[in-house]
Amino acid sequence: AQSVTQLDSHVSVSEGTPVLLRCNYSSSYSPSLFWYVQHPNKGLQLLLKYTSAATLVKGINGFEAEFKKSETSFHLTKPSAHMSDAAEYFCVVSGGGSYIPTFGRGTSLIVHP
Amino acid sequence: GAVVSQHPSRVICKSGTSVKIECRSLDFQATTMFWYRQFPKKSLMLMATSNEGSKATYEQGVEKDKFLINHASLTLSTLTVTSAHPEDSSFYICSAMSQAKANEKLFFGSGTQLSVL
Repeated sequence: AQSVTQLDSHVSVSEGTPVLLRCNYSSSYSPSLFWYVQHPNKGLQLLLKYTSAATLVKGINGFEAEFKKSETSFHLTKPSAHMSDAAEYFCVVSGGGSYIPTFGRGTSLIVHP
Repeated sequence: GAVVSQHPSRVICKSGTSVKIECRSLDFQATTMFWYRQFPKKSLMLMATSNEGSKATYEQGVEKDKFLINHASLTLSTLTVTSAHPEDSSFYICSAMSQAKANEKLFFGSGTQLSVL
């Protein structure tokens, strides 16, 4: 069994300040973890993924995430928020024999000028 | 990189009609595809898992006679919403996975916004 918890439904930051979107997971197997972004009325875009290689994963648009097995976390960060980062972000876990991906509830990132 | 094409991106139909949504993997063979439904301001809920050449596995609460899934080839899966009603209006997203590199070959289509009048 697997699950993913995104701890914040909304995160609000000012442009130019750091972004932290939190994700904790539970998996009976070595998981693969993903972060996706969804802009309004758009599909999903892959930001980054962890698949048992380096624990610090760099993605597109300056985002990165660190896999911490001891904390079962995969938090998404960005040093400096941009207005265009405002969107919905989903943490996804996949693993085990079926590889069915499980989505977190999503975190809305709001960026203020 | 690998691309999953989902079509149409937006469809408006009358109540009682059927709508077909296509999901294609463009540069890899997708032995498994997933269909998700997203309600406004909600996460994606898995509807069914589709394996090439076999019947789809539906999640609890999903009507298999209403949401028909066909995965007849390694590059195409279709979702047909039969006799659509306004409550079926939603955003539907497919995901395709390759058997060869299961943990890496997880790609999503751009989604289909279905509006039933």
